[in-house]
Amino acid sequence: DAGITQSPRHKVTETGTPVTLRCHQTENHRYMYWYRQDPGHGLRLIHYSYGVKDTDKGEVSDGYSVSRSKTEDFLLTLESATSSQTSVYFCAISDRLAGDVANNEQFFGPGTRLTVL
Amino acid sequence: RKEVEQDPGPFNVPEGATVAFNCTYSNSASQSFFWYRQDCRKEPKLLMSVYSSGNEDGRFTAQLNRASQYISLLIRDSKLSDSATYLCVVFTGKLIFGQGTTLQVKP
Repeated sequence: DAGITQSPRHKVTETGTPVTLRCHQTENHRYMYWYRQDPGHGLRLIHYSYGVKDTDKGEVSDGYSVSRSKTEDFLLTLESATSSQTSVYFCAISDRLAGDVANNEQFFGPGTRLTVL
Repeated sequence: RKEVEQDPGPFNVPEGATVAFNCTYSNSASQSFFWYRQDCRKEPKLLMSVYSSGNEDGRFTAQLNRASQYISLLIRDSKLSDSATYLCVVFTGKLIFGQGTTLQVKP
């Protein structure tokens, strides 16, 4: 299995509080991604990074920010958590832009279950 | 309309059955296609890429029909361990995931 860890694995927080989720990889992959997964929806991209300090928005980026100061770490921050951000968050990595060619696999971390009350 | 659509199921089949899932995509410019597998409360993992000519990996066969913009996955001789959610994934500048089709294989 690819070396990807996420922390925390579970978190319950209250509306209006800031929350930071961490993704750590030991594969030295260039690309890192944050997704959220909700019932009735596929995985939806929040933000991604294509290098240290290089990030871009995904399709559901509102209310989220990211930072990547080292190759191995990609942080997702909810500035002021809302109940609509209750979800399962997955981090993923790839050594080139995932999916641009066949067999270019994206490896996922174990996920973080976030509940915003 | 969603960019990638799948029947969420669940598909309940007995062991040994053959089952097929379809997935449709809306962007004709889509370049690459994949099936990922996701076990309950686990992360998704790549099952197989889908090639234009169709491809097979053991009991699994994937097909692509660009003209009709759909992808299929056929599983033969279903095993209990095949029970999972199967995600159709399309690359159009970025990966777009379908919501998944749930398969439950019964003894």
